[in-house]
Amino acid sequence: DAGITQSPRHKVTETGTPVTLRCHQTENHRYMYWYRQDPGHGLRLIHYSYGVKDTDKGEVSDGYSVSRSKTEDFLLTLESATSSQTSVYFCAISDGVQNTEAFFGQGTRLTVV
Amino acid sequence: KQEVTQIPAALSVPEGENLVLNCSFTDSAIYNLQWFRQDPGKGLTSLLLIQSSQREQTSGRLNASLDKSSGRSTLYIAASQPGDSATYLCAVNPMDSNYQLIWGAGTKLIIKP
Repeated sequence: DAGITQSPRHKVTETGTPVTLRCHQTENHRYMYWYRQDPGHGLRLIHYSYGVKDTDKGEVSDGYSVSRSKTEDFLLTLESATSSQTSVYFCAISDGVQNTEAFFGQGTRLTVV
Repeated sequence: KQEVTQIPAALSVPEGENLVLNCSFTDSAIYNLQWFRQDPGKGLTSLLLIQSSQREQTSGRLNASLDKSSGRSTLYIAASQPGDSATYLCAVNPMDSNYQLIWGAGTKLIIKP
């Protein structure tokens, strides 16, 4: 299995509080992604990174920010959590864009109450 | 805009049967297509990656085919086992969106002992 660790695995937080999810990889892959998975919507890309300090928005980026200060770490921050951000969050990595597999972490279940 | 459809949404078959899961996509301009498996409460496990120049890929009892011209891929599972029960997702890597996989909603497969 690809070395991807997400933390925390589960979190309950209150509306309006900031939350940071961490993705750590040991594969030295260049590309890292944050997805959310919701019933009826499938997987949707939030943000991605194509290198250290190089990030860009995905399909559903509103309310989220990311940072990547090291190759191995990609942080997802909810500046002020809302109930609509209750979801399961997945981090993924890949070594390229065109011809490489994507590998996923185990997910973080976030509940905003 | 690329769209990916998986039919059926759910499938239940007796153990030992061979089965086919379907994935269709609307734009044939893709780099590759990837099949994943997701167990309840777990992350996604990559099963097979088919490059756009390939027709099929095999791994054990799994065989995935790709027909770009018709926008279809199938995942064939031979001699199904209860342990194959999971949700199977396909995702395409479109040429016009380097960083974003486009996902199907998945097929939930139940193998009855």
